[in-house]
Amino acid sequence: QKEVEQDPGPLSVPEGAIVSLNCTYSNSAFQYFMWYRQYSRKGPELLMYTYSSGNKEDGRFTAQVDKSSKYISLFIRDSQPSDSATYLCAMSAFRTNAGKSTFGDGTTLTVKP
Amino acid sequence: DVKVTQSSRYLVKRTGEKVFLECVQDMDHENMFWYRQDPGLGLRLIYFSYDVKMKEKGDIPEGYSVSREKKERFSLILESASTNQTSMYLCASTSLTSGSGEQYFGPGTRLTVT
Repeated sequence: QKEVEQDPGPLSVPEGAIVSLNCTYSNSAFQYFMWYRQYSRKGPELLMYTYSSGNKEDGRFTAQVDKSSKYISLFIRDSQPSDSATYLCAMSAFRTNAGKSTFGDGTTLTVKP
Repeated sequence: DVKVTQSSRYLVKRTGEKVFLECVQDMDHENMFWYRQDPGLGLRLIYFSYDVKMKEKGDIPEGYSVSREKKERFSLILESASTNQTSMYLCASTSLTSGSGEQYFGPGTRLTVT
């Protein structure tokens, strides 16, 4: 069983929809939770990260972490066609693991105009 | 603005060739990583380096080696390329002082071995 499981998708939504992307994990040592966005044929770029449990908001994006359930989510409000990409969750225990992160396999999102 | 660059965006090599992929970061990061990304398999760590001349194997090091002679540069070497090494190769770096371990990725090199 993988340490990080990500809803595989693909996900297709109409423009303006609220999107929910989700990951579960098994390693209790994870403290940092990150979301990356990867456009086709490009490298992933960091969207946002959260430390421990709670919510973090950045514009239309909200990251949510529930450590008790080992579950993280990324919500996208008022989705736009430009949000069409693959979204990767990643988790890190960081200082105990040489800076390595464990990545989900990604969810591909298409937002249709 | 942070920047990680990779030497080539697209590369086509023949089976048995020695292949060098280079990665340079301008953020003075200590840690650098090489991944390969394949459909349905996600990102898989090949090697990482936590200091100049220091390296550790990742999850799939077979058929690869690395070199880090300078802090800003991390090279991935395919000793004898094979068709099953056709993939997207991604380099990343992170700082030990960042706290979260967020990684900054290069644009990727799409390698085709024929």
